[in-house]
Amino acid sequence: QKEVEQDPGPLSVPEGAIVSLNCTYSNSAFQYFMWYRQYSRKGPELLMYTYSSGNKEDGRFTAQVDKSSKYISLFIRDSQPSDSATYLCAMSPLNYKLSFGAGTTVTVRA
Amino acid sequence: GAGVSQSPRYKVAKRGQDVALRCDPISGHVSLFWYQQALGQGPEFLTYFQNEAQLDKSGLPSDRFFAERPEGSVSTLKIQRTQQEDSAVYLCASSGRGQYQPQHFGDGTRLSIL
Repeated sequence: QKEVEQDPGPLSVPEGAIVSLNCTYSNSAFQYFMWYRQYSRKGPELLMYTYSSGNKEDGRFTAQVDKSSKYISLFIRDSQPSDSATYLCAMSPLNYKLSFGAGTTVTVRA
Repeated sequence: GAGVSQSPRYKVAKRGQDVALRCDPISGHVSLFWYQQALGQGPEFLTYFQNEAQLDKSGLPSDRFFAERPEGSVSTLKIQRTQQEDSAVYLCASSGRGQYQPQHFGDGTRLSIL
């Protein structure tokens, strides 16, 4: 079993919908949590970065961390076709050796 | 400012050849990381430098893989006697000084071994 589990999708939503993404993990030592967006043939681009539990909001993006359930989520409001990409969750106990999920492919239909 | 720069973007080599992949981190970033990303998968950690010191190389798949960062800035990942299973995208990331600095990635080198 992998340390970080992420449903690969694909996920297809209409423009303007809320996109909901999540990951589960098994290592209770994880305390740094990130979401990256990756377009085809490009590197991962940092979207959200949180330390420990709680919520964080940045524009249309909201990240949630529930350490008691070992579950993290990313919500994208008012989704746009430009949000079509692969979304990767990542986490680490000490903020250097990141463990990634396999990524969820999202398509936002115009 | 400029992001993490990797070269070459694409590399094709024959099985058994040696390859060298270069990473130029964001200026002033002390930490540098290499990851390997197989098709359809998330990146897997290979190695970590703080300045010129290689502090963790636990993710390197075999002794054919070697990384260096001699002056604490540019880093090179070298793969000797390449095998077909080495085909992947090799990503470099860097982060700044301090406990809560996230990693910023380059666009990677796509390596194909024939």
